Amino acid sequence: DGGITQSPKYLFRKEGQNVTLSCEQNLNHDAMYWYRQDPGQGLRLIYYSQIVNDFQKGDIAEGYSVSREKKESFPLTVTSAQKNPTAFYLCASSPGQGSTGELFFGEGSRLTVL
Amino acid sequence: GEDVEQSLFLSVREGDSSVINCTYTDSSSTYLYWYKQEPGAGLQLLTYIFSNMDMKQDQRLTVLLNKKDKHLSLRIADTQTGDSAIYFCAGVTGFQKLVFGTGTRLLVSP
Repeated sequence: DGGITQSPKYLFRKEGQNVTLSCEQNLNHDAMYWYRQDPGQGLRLIYYSQIVNDFQKGDIAEGYSVSREKKESFPLTVTSAQKNPTAFYLCASSPGQGSTGELFFGEGSRLTVL
Repeated sequence: GEDVEQSLFLSVREGDSSVINCTYTDSSSTYLYWYKQEPGAGLQLLTYIFSNMDMKQDQRLTVLLNKKDKHLSLRIADTQTGDSAIYFCAGVTGFQKLVFGTGTRLLVSP
């Protein structure tokens, strides 16, 4: 079945460690996104990529990094520079230009810093 | 940029109608969306409305758009306990960059 797969679903990390969250899609979508969700704050855009080998910062990119070496994959690294990394992270994709802009979401990854 | 606001909480009884409201700032949004999030899961698109429409109906869901007041609403008829979730409205700004509201938690009691 086509969809977006995020892994791991739950992740625990000690302070000072970098962690990488995986996001893979088999929908043949051009655009991919990472959002962070905190209680009562909705979703905030971290990074997005409209095409392979290109990505842009969203509203809260500090302390995060991404890569887009393949169309299907858009991993997010939460670095030790991110001051408050405990959150629910959502990856999404969309077909790209010409579509209605609908986003297709993965099931999320919950990161807890101990 | 786009700013989207929603009330945080709504409680209704099973069988009643639910109305979730949203206001936005960017009148150039081409589409406006409603997403549903169940606990611990990602978001699923419920419906969307094109900016030149006033209303869209899809089974139990009715979306109303008031462009003058920049107000969007989602009405769920005959609300069921399975409708309990967080509902997000979103507008699009720039190249398919969706901006989401804070989400409205809908609680449906039997």
